[in-house]
Amino acid sequence: KNQVEQSPQSLIILEGKNCTLQCNYTVSPFSNLRWYKQDTGRGPVSLTIMTFSENTKSNGRYTATLDADTKQSSLHITASQLSDSASYICVVSSSGGSYIPTFGRGTSLIVHP
Amino acid sequence: DGGITQSPKYLFRKEGQNVTLSCEQNLNHDAMYWYRQDPGQGLRLIYYSQIVNDFQKGDIAEGYSVSREKKESFPLTVTSAQKNPTAFYLCASSTGQGARSTDTQYFGPGTRLTVL
Repeated sequence: KNQVEQSPQSLIILEGKNCTLQCNYTVSPFSNLRWYKQDTGRGPVSLTIMTFSENTKSNGRYTATLDADTKQSSLHITASQLSDSASYICVVSSSGGSYIPTFGRGTSLIVHP
Repeated sequence: DGGITQSPKYLFRKEGQNVTLSCEQNLNHDAMYWYRQDPGQGLRLIYYSQIVNDFQKGDIAEGYSVSREKKESFPLTVTSAQKNPTAFYLCASSTGQGARSTDTQYFGPGTRLTVL
């Protein structure tokens, strides 16, 4: 069964600090991995997307990495801001059968001033 | 102004009543999806549609029904058969090209349904 596990479940950091969120997956065959940001009470918004051949992708202060061999991804946030407080969701799509993606449970990030 | 909209944002219903959640998109996307989100859980797929007049059950379709009469619209009905309907419901759309790298799902703002 395809699964996506994220850690930590929640994280609290001070404004200006860096942090790294983790995502492990067992989705096979692998097609692509996305990181979404979801503000409280809103729909998720795509941050980055990586295919098998890509091992890093940046979007401003967000940098995602992918190790397809170990089936791990990370999302690094640099110089955190209060607006970064949100849930970050890792989503993995398979290239086999249905293309419905598998969602992780998300990491809840709180940035304190 | 392109995008995907859901209405209403908040919805309250009495137990035993059916309720329909609206989802509209003007992105010219073929595929549309309905997800349910509960606290501490990942998004769970209820129904999805790859093309007009066709839809498939997701992982938790029991107690829900959908229709896809128009490309732009994919309404979800929460029936009285759904045992725990209180949740945050998210609609999404994509080009429906399959698992290609460009097939990102775009989400609506969500509807929070509370059954009293």
